[in-house]
Amino acid sequence: KAGVTQTPRYLIKTRGQQVTLSCSPISGHRSVSWYQQTPGQGLQFLFEYFSETQRNKGNFPGRFSGRQFSNSRSEMNVSTLELGDSALYLCASSSTSGGAGDEQFFGPGTRLTVL
Amino acid sequence: EDQVTQSPEALRLQEGESSSLNCSYTVSGLRGLFWYRQDPGKGPEFLFTLYSAGEEKEKERLKATLTKKESFLHITAPKPEDSATYLCAVIPNGSGNTGKLIFGQGTTLQVKP
Repeated sequence: KAGVTQTPRYLIKTRGQQVTLSCSPISGHRSVSWYQQTPGQGLQFLFEYFSETQRNKGNFPGRFSGRQFSNSRSEMNVSTLELGDSALYLCASSSTSGGAGDEQFFGPGTRLTVL
Repeated sequence: EDQVTQSPEALRLQEGESSSLNCSYTVSGLRGLFWYRQDPGKGPEFLFTLYSAGEEKEKERLKATLTKKESFLHITAPKPEDSATYLCAVIPNGSGNTGKLIFGQGTTLQVKP
């Protein structure tokens, strides 16, 4: 079974620009969660989607948004980029169908650098 | 506030020298506790899920245990290829926590030959 894939793997943007990251979950997984990883803050939850609906959201500003498509693929968007948005963005998929607690499987991440 | 604390931050072992990593958690109710391994530049790799106090899981040289307030990851006779950052995460009870892993800061393990 193919794992979680994320594209692109690396991105360089300048302040003020916007960026869209893509995530394809493991086949059959309907839940996709997004995380931001930085050396100072570690792994922090951004949001979770299930069946095209955002079920949960972390404490990030509204510049961070996401969506999920009918095939469970997900995208996240960051508008008006700031230097502090430089991070590894990870997506994870899970087979959970209604409850929390199932293990999440992570993709390789997208390394975003904001100059 | 739900919180996960891992110790030590870094651990250096000689090959074959067994040790344990600690994960303390504070949550209103625990839905599940997860251990991951992360190599530099890669996404976390799932290792174990624990749900109830007293539960244990094993995989090769790794063994995870769970109590009501903490979890341990025991590494028996480690090899250099076990060098990585080990992450502990929890999902608290409640529908508002769906899909939300709360991570500790991790323990970076280095095993020298």
